[in-house]
Amino acid sequence: DSGVTQTPKHLITATGQRVTLRCSPRSGDLSVYWYQQSLDQGLQFLIQYYNGEERAKGNILERFSAQQFPDLHSELNLSSLELGDSALYFCASSVAPNTGELFFGEGSRLTVL
Amino acid sequence: KNEVEQSPQNLTAQEGEFITINCSYSVGISALHWLQQHPGGGIVSLFMLSSGKKKHGRLIATINIQEKHSSLHITASHPRDSAVYICAVHLQGGSEKLVFGKGTKLTVNP
Repeated sequence: DSGVTQTPKHLITATGQRVTLRCSPRSGDLSVYWYQQSLDQGLQFLIQYYNGEERAKGNILERFSAQQFPDLHSELNLSSLELGDSALYFCASSVAPNTGELFFGEGSRLTVL
Repeated sequence: KNEVEQSPQNLTAQEGEFITINCSYSVGISALHWLQQHPGGGIVSLFMLSSGKKKHGRLIATINIQEKHSSLHITASHPRDSAVYICAVHLQGGSEKLVFGKGTKLTVNP
Protein backbone atom coordinates (compact mmCIF):
# COMPACT_ATOMS: atom_id res chain seq x y z
CA ASP A 1 0.00 0.00 0.00
CA SER A 2 1.57 3.27 -1.20
CA GLY A 3 -0.54 5.48 1.04
CA VAL A 4 -1.98 7.30 -1.99
CA THR A 5 -5.73 6.82 -2.39
CA GLN A 6 -7.57 7.30 -5.66
CA THR A 7 -11.30 7.16 -6.21
CA PRO A 8 -13.17 5.87 -8.04
CA LYS A 9 -11.22 2.78 -9.14
CA HIS A 10 -13.44 2.25 -12.18
CA LEU A 11 -15.75 4.63 -13.99
CA ILE A 12 -17.87 4.08 -17.07
CA THR A 13 -19.55 7.04 -18.66
CA ALA A 14 -20.79 8.37 -21.98
CA THR A 15 -19.30 10.82 -24.46
CA GLY A 16 -20.00 14.43 -23.60
CA GLN A 17 -20.20 13.79 -19.88
CA ARG A 18 -18.06 15.22 -17.07
CA VAL A 19 -16.28 13.25 -14.34
CA THR A 20 -14.15 14.05 -11.32
CA LEU A 21 -11.29 11.87 -10.16
CA ARG A 22 -10.04 12.27 -6.63
CA CYS A 23 -6.62 11.72 -5.09
CA SER A 24 -5.52 11.79 -1.46
CA PRO A 25 -1.73 11.95 -1.22
CA ARG A 26 0.43 10.10 1.26
CA SER A 27 0.42 11.68 4.69
CA GLY A 28 3.01 14.47 4.74
CA ASP A 29 3.43 14.69 0.96
CA LEU A 30 2.84 18.17 -0.42
CA SER A 31 3.31 17.41 -4.13
CA VAL A 32 0.63 15.74 -6.21
CA TYR A 33 1.07 14.64 -9.83
CA TRP A 34 -1.51 13.44 -12.35
CA TYR A 35 -0.67 11.08 -15.21
CA GLN A 36 -2.67 9.52 -18.01
CA GLN A 37 -1.91 6.06 -19.37
CA SER A 38 -3.58 5.06 -22.60
CA LEU A 39 -2.84 1.99 -24.72
CA ASP A 40 -1.42 3.95 -27.64
CA GLN A 41 0.34 6.82 -25.81
CA GLY A 42 1.78 5.14 -22.73
CA LEU A 43 2.21 7.20 -19.57
CA GLN A 44 1.98 10.96 -19.96
CA PHE A 45 2.40 13.70 -17.40
CA LEU A 46 -0.67 15.91 -17.08
CA ILE A 47 -0.17 18.37 -14.23
CA GLN A 48 1.53 18.85 -10.87
CA TYR A 49 0.61 20.75 -7.71
CA TYR A 50 2.70 21.64 -4.72
CA ASN A 51 1.03 22.80 -1.52
CA GLY A 52 -2.03 24.04 -3.36
CA GLU A 53 -0.24 25.79 -6.21
CA GLU A 54 0.13 24.57 -9.79
CA ARG A 55 3.82 23.86 -10.41
CA ALA A 56 4.06 22.24 -13.83
CA LYS A 57 1.80 21.46 -16.73
CA GLY A 58 2.23 18.74 -19.30
CA ASN A 59 0.02 17.47 -22.08
CA ILE A 60 -3.23 18.36 -20.39
CA LEU A 61 -6.17 19.14 -22.63
CA GLU A 62 -8.18 22.34 -22.16
CA ARG A 63 -11.20 20.15 -21.38
CA PHE A 64 -9.33 18.89 -18.32
CA SER A 65 -8.66 20.84 -15.16
CA ALA A 66 -7.31 20.09 -11.73
CA GLN A 67 -6.80 21.64 -8.35
CA GLN A 68 -5.26 20.87 -5.00
CA PHE A 69 -7.26 21.76 -1.93
CA PRO A 70 -6.03 23.10 1.45
CA ASP A 71 -6.17 19.58 2.91
CA LEU A 72 -3.82 18.60 0.03
CA HIS A 73 -6.18 16.25 -1.72
CA SER A 74 -6.48 16.84 -5.44
CA GLU A 75 -9.18 16.48 -8.02
CA LEU A 76 -8.87 16.04 -11.77
CA ASN A 77 -11.94 17.17 -13.71
CA LEU A 78 -12.52 15.80 -17.19
CA SER A 79 -15.30 17.36 -19.24
CA SER A 80 -16.88 16.94 -22.68
CA LEU A 81 -15.51 13.43 -22.62
CA GLU A 82 -14.49 11.73 -25.84
CA LEU A 83 -13.84 8.08 -26.62
CA GLY A 84 -10.12 8.81 -26.70
CA ASP A 85 -10.16 9.93 -23.08
CA SER A 86 -10.60 6.30 -22.03
CA ALA A 87 -7.47 5.55 -20.03
CA LEU A 88 -5.97 4.85 -16.66
CA TYR A 89 -5.45 8.03 -14.67
CA PHE A 90 -2.79 7.84 -11.99
CA CYS A 91 -2.09 10.17 -9.15
CA ALA A 92 1.29 10.19 -7.43
CA SER A 93 2.67 12.12 -4.50
CA SER A 94 6.05 13.06 -3.12
CA VAL A 95 7.31 15.05 -0.17
CA ALA A 96 8.37 17.93 -2.39
CA PRO A 97 8.93 18.52 -6.09
CA ASN A 98 11.80 16.61 -7.66
CA THR A 99 13.05 15.23 -4.37
CA GLY A 100 12.97 11.52 -4.57
CA GLU A 101 10.58 8.67 -4.57
CA LEU A 102 7.15 8.97 -6.12
CA PHE A 103 4.28 7.08 -4.51
CA PHE A 104 1.54 6.08 -6.93
CA GLY A 105 -2.11 5.41 -6.35
CA GLU A 106 -3.79 2.35 -7.84
CA GLY A 107 -5.25 4.45 -10.65
CA SER A 108 -8.74 5.27 -11.85
CA ARG A 109 -9.80 3.40 -14.96
CA LEU A 110 -12.08 5.57 -17.08
CA THR A 111 -14.10 4.06 -19.90
CA VAL A 112 -15.98 6.43 -22.18
CA LEU A 113 -18.66 4.74 -24.30
CA LYS B 1 12.12 9.85 -32.02
CA ASN B 2 11.04 9.59 -28.39
CA GLU B 3 13.11 11.43 -25.82
CA VAL B 4 13.29 8.21 -23.76
CA GLU B 5 13.88 4.86 -25.45
CA GLN B 6 13.78 1.50 -23.72
CA SER B 7 15.03 -1.86 -24.91
CA PRO B 8 13.98 -4.50 -25.28
CA GLN B 9 10.22 -3.92 -25.63
CA ASN B 10 9.51 -7.49 -24.56
CA LEU B 11 11.69 -9.90 -22.65
CA THR B 12 11.05 -13.51 -21.69
CA ALA B 13 13.36 -15.25 -19.27
CA GLN B 14 13.60 -18.45 -17.28
CA GLU B 15 13.50 -18.32 -13.52
CA GLY B 16 16.95 -17.67 -12.11
CA GLU B 17 18.29 -15.78 -15.13
CA PHE B 18 20.04 -12.40 -14.90
CA ILE B 19 17.95 -9.69 -16.55
CA THR B 20 19.04 -6.37 -18.01
CA ILE B 21 16.68 -3.65 -19.22
CA ASN B 22 18.12 -0.59 -20.91
CA CYS B 23 17.04 3.04 -21.06
CA SER B 24 18.56 5.71 -23.29
CA TYR B 25 17.55 9.34 -23.34
CA SER B 26 18.35 12.20 -25.68
CA VAL B 27 17.81 15.19 -23.39
CA GLY B 28 19.56 16.68 -20.40
CA ILE B 29 18.13 15.29 -17.21
CA SER B 30 18.30 15.98 -13.51
CA ALA B 31 17.18 12.52 -12.43
CA LEU B 32 15.87 9.20 -13.71
CA HIS B 33 13.22 6.89 -12.25
CA TRP B 34 12.70 3.18 -12.71
CA LEU B 35 9.08 2.14 -12.17
CA GLN B 36 7.42 -1.26 -12.03
CA GLN B 37 3.86 -1.78 -13.21
CA HIS B 38 2.18 -5.07 -12.35
CA PRO B 39 -0.49 -6.72 -14.51
CA GLY B 40 -3.18 -5.30 -12.22
CA GLY B 41 -2.05 -1.82 -13.21
CA GLY B 42 -0.51 -0.50 -10.00
CA ILE B 43 2.80 1.37 -10.31
CA VAL B 44 5.65 1.15 -7.82
CA SER B 45 8.71 3.37 -7.83
CA LEU B 46 11.85 1.21 -7.71
CA PHE B 47 14.67 3.74 -7.92
CA MET B 48 15.42 7.40 -8.44
CA LEU B 49 18.95 8.02 -9.72
CA SER B 50 20.96 11.08 -10.57
CA SER B 51 24.36 9.38 -10.68
CA GLY B 52 26.13 6.09 -10.04
CA LYS B 53 24.40 2.97 -8.87
CA LYS B 54 21.70 1.89 -6.43
CA LYS B 55 20.84 -1.58 -5.14
CA HIS B 56 17.73 -2.86 -3.45
CA GLY B 57 17.51 -6.58 -2.86
CA ARG B 58 17.88 -8.33 -6.22
CA LEU B 59 17.46 -5.11 -8.17
CA ILE B 60 20.36 -2.92 -9.28
CA ALA B 61 20.06 0.34 -11.22
CA THR B 62 22.93 2.19 -12.83
CA ILE B 63 23.16 5.45 -14.71
CA ASN B 64 25.85 6.96 -16.93
CA ILE B 65 25.08 10.64 -17.30
CA GLN B 66 27.74 11.25 -19.98
CA GLU B 67 26.43 8.42 -22.16
CA LYS B 68 22.77 9.25 -21.35
CA HIS B 69 22.05 5.66 -20.47
CA SER B 70 20.65 3.72 -17.54
CA SER B 71 20.25 0.01 -16.90
CA LEU B 72 18.04 -1.96 -14.56
CA HIS B 73 19.36 -5.38 -13.59
CA ILE B 74 17.46 -8.17 -11.88
CA THR B 75 19.51 -10.97 -10.41
CA ALA B 76 18.10 -14.48 -9.83
CA SER B 77 14.84 -13.56 -11.58
CA HIS B 78 11.58 -14.98 -10.29
CA PRO B 79 8.10 -15.27 -11.83
CA ARG B 80 6.88 -12.57 -9.44
CA ASP B 81 9.24 -10.15 -11.22
CA SER B 82 6.97 -10.40 -14.27
CA ALA B 83 5.78 -6.86 -14.87
CA VAL B 84 6.28 -3.85 -17.12
CA TYR B 85 9.36 -1.83 -16.20
CA ILE B 86 9.22 1.84 -17.11
CA CYS B 87 12.04 4.35 -17.28
CA ALA B 88 11.15 8.01 -16.71
CA VAL B 89 13.31 11.14 -16.63
CA HIS B 90 13.07 14.55 -15.02
CA LEU B 91 14.19 17.11 -17.60
CA GLN B 92 17.16 19.27 -16.67
CA GLY B 93 16.42 22.63 -15.12
CA GLY B 94 14.46 21.29 -12.20
CA SER B 95 11.35 20.50 -14.21
CA GLU B 96 8.83 18.42 -12.34
CA LYS B 97 7.61 17.05 -15.65
CA LEU B 98 8.40 13.36 -16.05
CA VAL B 99 8.97 11.99 -19.56
CA PHE B 100 8.30 8.27 -19.80
CA GLY B 101 9.67 5.46 -21.90
CA LYS B 102 7.17 3.03 -23.39
CA GLY B 103 8.13 0.28 -20.99
CA THR B 104 9.66 -3.18 -21.15
CA LYS B 105 7.35 -6.11 -20.59
CA LEU B 106 9.19 -8.82 -18.65
CA THR B 107 7.87 -12.35 -18.35
CA VAL B 108 9.75 -14.77 -16.13
CA ASN B 109 8.75 -18.39 -16.60
CA PRO B 110 9.12 -20.98 -13.82
